[in-house]
Amino acid sequence: NAGVTQTPKFQVLKTGQSMTLQCAQDMNHEYMSWYRQDPGMGLRLIHYSVGAGITDQGEVPNGYNVSRSTTEDFPLRLLSAAPSQTSVYFCASRTTYREGGGYTFGSGTRLTVV
Amino acid sequence: DAKTTQPNSMESNEEEPVHLPCNHSTISGTDYIHWYRQLPSQGPEYVIHGLTSNVNNRMASLAIAEDRKSSTLILHRATLRDAAVYYCILRSSSNFGNEKLTFGTGTRLTIIP
Repeated sequence: NAGVTQTPKFQVLKTGQSMTLQCAQDMNHEYMSWYRQDPGMGLRLIHYSVGAGITDQGEVPNGYNVSRSTTEDFPLRLLSAAPSQTSVYFCASRTTYREGGGYTFGSGTRLTVV
Repeated sequence: DAKTTQPNSMESNEEEPVHLPCNHSTISGTDYIHWYRQLPSQGPEYVIHGLTSNVNNRMASLAIAEDRKSSTLILHRATLRDAAVYYCILRSSSNFGNEKLTFGTGTRLTIIP
């Protein structure tokens, strides 16, 4: 089925380790973004991209890097994991050709940093 | 960013209509009103969006006040599968690129069998 695919679904890291959360979409969406969701805080934007080769910071970018080499993929890299990065991470995408249109979200990656 | 205000929780009986309110008194002329819902352990799911006129789709209806300072998501016949957290969000169309979706804490909808 078409949509946004996130891997892995669950991950446990030790403090200081690095890892990459994968996000892929097959809808040819130009816009992709990463959010984190913490209990009682709603979703917060980490980074976003409006197309291949173009990325920018969101609300909480510190400790995370992104790149967008293809339209389909938008990986999120944790440089040196910290317990404060324990969260559920969601990738979302949308087309830019439908004014005001909605986002498609992935099912999330639950990350625990110990 | 323009903010929205929603009740923390609501209950509704199964097979009855549900009206989920949202206040957005600081909405600007270029803000679209979006609704998403999130089922347990899943990512948010797009429900509906609108700008000025009422909107209908297969999932729900969106009623927008004439002054656009409030809106109501209407589930016409609630089922147990509609139990979720519902988010009302404003998305500006004038700031493409930096179009952060500001998710608040939403309304937790409980459906009573």
